[in-house]
Amino acid sequence: GQQLNQSPQSMFIQEGEDVSMNCTSSSIFNTWLWYKQDPGEGPVLLIALYKAGELTSNGRLTAQFGITRKDSFLNISASIPSDVGIYFCAGQYPEYGNKLVFGAGTILRVKS
Amino acid sequence: KAGVTQTPRYLIKTRGQQVTLSCSPISGHRSVSWYQQTPGQGLQFLFEYFSETQRNKGNFPGRFSGRQFSNSRSEMNVSTLELGDSALYLCASSLGLSYSYNEQFFGPGTRLTVL
Repeated sequence: GQQLNQSPQSMFIQEGEDVSMNCTSSSIFNTWLWYKQDPGEGPVLLIALYKAGELTSNGRLTAQFGITRKDSFLNISASIPSDVGIYFCAGQYPEYGNKLVFGAGTILRVKS
Repeated sequence: KAGVTQTPRYLIKTRGQQVTLSCSPISGHRSVSWYQQTPGQGLQFLFEYFSETQRNKGNFPGRFSGRQFSNSRSEMNVSTLELGDSALYLCASSLGLSYSYNEQFFGPGTRLTVL
């Protein structure tokens, strides 16, 4: 199946800073999803995007579905210690039967 | 309401053995998907069950199989375990089929270690 390129692999930032991460693919996607996984837990859906150009916010999180339908980004504003975790992008595309494919994840560490 | 539950949470097996993992979906959810998570390959889709039928399948060998019961609970079986099967196995449930863009809710996973 499709491999999603997620970057950066990890980030170590100061509390209060804004964070940005993104995902790209070589295929056109129908959905882009952003998940967060805490240690010992399964991924939790943060934001789901279904239309090219769509910009959606969830509290301090904002994500966009790229116009080309081949990319998406997630921004976290004013990071706090509980933002620590692994963030995954995921998406669905028709050629793969709309099965969910995941990026490799971005490890976020916040310095308090 | 209760979330997705997976049992057991941790399991240690030896090569060549087989293992069965269990997943109870959120009440009312009829679809259960299984994923394998490893540091090297990340999260990869195994298969999805809906109404006791496998509806979608990833690229895993036939040693990986599953089933779903009439109450939507699902089990996953791995036969002839290999060292590379060591992973976190995640189950996710949704109201309807995931490929129809129904949101999936993940369980905490079963950590399988193969020695």
